[in-house]
Amino acid sequence: EDQVTQSPEALRLQEGESSSLNCSYTVSGLRGLFWYRQDPGKGPEFLFTLYSAGEEKEKERLKATLTKKESFLHITAPKPEDSATYLCAVKGAQKLVFGQGTRLTINP
Amino acid sequence: EAGVTQSPTHLIKTRGQQATLRCSPISGHTSVYWYQQALGLGLQFLLWYDEGEERNRGNFPPRFSGRQFPNYSSELNVNALELEDSALYLCASGTGDSSGNTIYFGEGSWLTVV
Repeated sequence: EDQVTQSPEALRLQEGESSSLNCSYTVSGLRGLFWYRQDPGKGPEFLFTLYSAGEEKEKERLKATLTKKESFLHITAPKPEDSATYLCAVKGAQKLVFGQGTRLTINP
Repeated sequence: EAGVTQSPTHLIKTRGQQATLRCSPISGHTSVYWYQQALGLGLQFLLWYDEGEERNRGNFPPRFSGRQFPNYSSELNVNALELEDSALYLCASGTGDSSGNTIYFGEGSWLTVV
């Protein structure tokens, strides 16, 4: 069965302190790995799609990378507005499976 | 371009009643996905519709059902509501079912069962 595990569950950083979020996955026939950002009480907002090992994508202070077993979301010099829950999901043959998310808090 | 729209935004029902939630996908998208997110928990897959047919369903009882209309909009029905059905119900849409195309979410419908 397809599985996604995200770590850590929660991460608290100071403004400007760079770090990485991890997404480990097992899936039969990866068709895509997705990162979303979710603010409290809102729907997930799409960030990135990665399709193959070695692929990287960037957007502002965020950079996503992919290997055959895991993906990382690197956040560089974060700001308080980057505080949110970051969700990772994988698409196999049948459905999109989400991890439990990493709750990121950036203190000013 | 309009995103995924869901209605109602909030719904309060009594235990044992039925709830109906609606979703309009992004124009050109043929797939609709439904997810349940209980407070503080992750997204649990409910249903996936594509081209009017149910393609897959998650581990939920049969009282969770839905359909997709010819215009690709979708409806989620929850019968015999229980207190633990209280959650944010999220709809997402995408193109096709055989590729890794991105799916985009609506803002969700909050269902409260009292």
